Amino acid sequence: QSVLIQPPSASGTPGQRVTLSCSGSISNMAIYTVNWYQLLPGTAPKLLIYDDNQRPSGVPDRFSGSKSGTSASLAISGLQSEDEADYYCAAWDNLLNGPMFGAGTTLTVL
Amino acid sequence: QVQLQESGPGLVKPSETLSLTCTVSGGSISSNDWSWIRQPPGKGLEWIAYLYRSGTINYTPSLKSRVTISTDTPKNQFSLKLTSVTAADTAMYFCVRVIRGPWRLDSWGQGILVTVSS
Repeated sequence: QSVLIQPPSASGTPGQRVTLSCSGSISNMAIYTVNWYQLLPGTAPKLLIYDDNQRPSGVPDRFSGSKSGTSASLAISGLQSEDEADYYCAAWDNLLNGPMFGAGTTLTVL
Repeated sequence: QVQLQESGPGLVKPSETLSLTCTVSGGSISSNDWSWIRQPPGKGLEWIAYLYRSGTINYTPSLKSRVTISTDTPKNQFSLKLTSVTAADTAMYFCVRVIRGPWRLDSWGQGILVTVSS
């Protein structure tokens, strides 16, 4: 049962900038950093952002993350067709004593 | 670069035990933390268990009574057993490496689809 709240869907056109949101609580995002993962059908999930706004090597700088309090965002600029995927936010949760995920946002590139 | 590969039966009968193994290459399981995560069809990701390099294991509360994690250090593998499965346990199961400081799930297996059905 997810306690990180994400909108179920988002969309944008090629070249556009889109922002995906993630809302948490005092037991997770208020005290722990946020990660973002990209899930494409048939491929292993990919870490996009960690520590709120850090990109692992190999992740394009079109992807950026931010957090304020218990709200986090993933921004994708210069949207491309290959960005069409499911995106999940995650944060450690004190009550769960483990990682908590959002329900995911399906991004459609129109 | 570490690589993870899940293996096990893709079909399990209701009330039986689901058993999966994760084989790690390119890194030692003794040097990192590891997790099992699953994704039911059409649903989001769910954390199952966390294996610290110290040997401590945490389980998600909703599955704690049915889940067991074990390691086989010589084979560089760790395993998941989930007892008394039902259709609700049908999911894609992933094994994952966890990095701390700051924490992140940085390497994932491809996943294995396990269907619970008679």
